[in-house]
Amino acid sequence: DADVTQTPRNRITKTGKRIMLECSQTKGHDRMYWYRQDPGLGLRLIYYSFDVKDINKGEISDGYSVSRQAQAKFSLSLESAIPNQTALYFCATSDAGTGREKLFFGSGTQLSVL
Amino acid sequence: AQSVTQPDIHITVSEGASLELRCNYSYGATPYLFWYVQSPGQGLQLLLKYFSGDTLVQGIKGFEAEFKRSQSSFNLRKPSVHWSDAAEYFCAVGGGYQKVTFGTGTKLQVIP
Repeated sequence: DADVTQTPRNRITKTGKRIMLECSQTKGHDRMYWYRQDPGLGLRLIYYSFDVKDINKGEISDGYSVSRQAQAKFSLSLESAIPNQTALYFCATSDAGTGREKLFFGSGTQLSVL
Repeated sequence: AQSVTQPDIHITVSEGASLELRCNYSYGATPYLFWYVQSPGQGLQLLLKYFSGDTLVQGIKGFEAEFKRSQSSFNLRKPSVHWSDAAEYFCAVGGGYQKVTFGTGTKLQVIP
C-alpha cells in the first residue's frame, strides 16, 4: 500500500460545484502539504499544515480551503470550482518543517472543471 | 524570497548519451537543494539532495548533481541515459519559510 494515498485519482466536475480531494498517510508525519501542478508552472504550494492545529496558506490559496481532520488526513476543498482550477493536485508529507526535509508525494488527483 | 529557475522546458537525448539538466536558484543563505523526478502518472520521487559538505552529491538511479555557489547552480547529470529515465525533473530549494519551492520542471525525452 502507498504511504500517501490520494482520492480520487481523477475527477471531472462542473463550474460552481463544491469538491473535496482527500489525502491520507501512513508515514506518521506531522507535516502535510497540498500542491498544484500546471504545465510550465511546476508545483505551487496551496496550503500546508505542521500539525492538526496549525494550518497555513501557501502561495496560491485563493479559492481553496483545507481541513486537517487528524494527523493522517488532510483534505483540500474547492468551494465553487472554476475552470482555471483544472490541474493536477498533489498531497505530500514530511517529517519536519525546516525546508531541508524530503517530501513524500501521493500519486496525484487530476481535476478537470468544465 | 527563494526561487528556482530551470531554463530548459524540454530536452531530448539519445539512449546512452550523457545528460545535464540545468538549475539555478536564488536564496539569501546556504540553500537546501533537491532534485525530484516525476514519472508519467506518478508522484514526485526524490533523486538527491544537498545540504552542506561535498558539493558533488550522488543520488539514486545513477544521477549526480554539483552545487556551485559562485554560479548559484545545482545541475543534474547522468553519464549514460536509459530509456526508463524519460520523465519530468524538478529542481527545488528549501530553507526559507519552512517550505520548499519548486522549479517549473524539465521534460526529458529519450530516443533510441
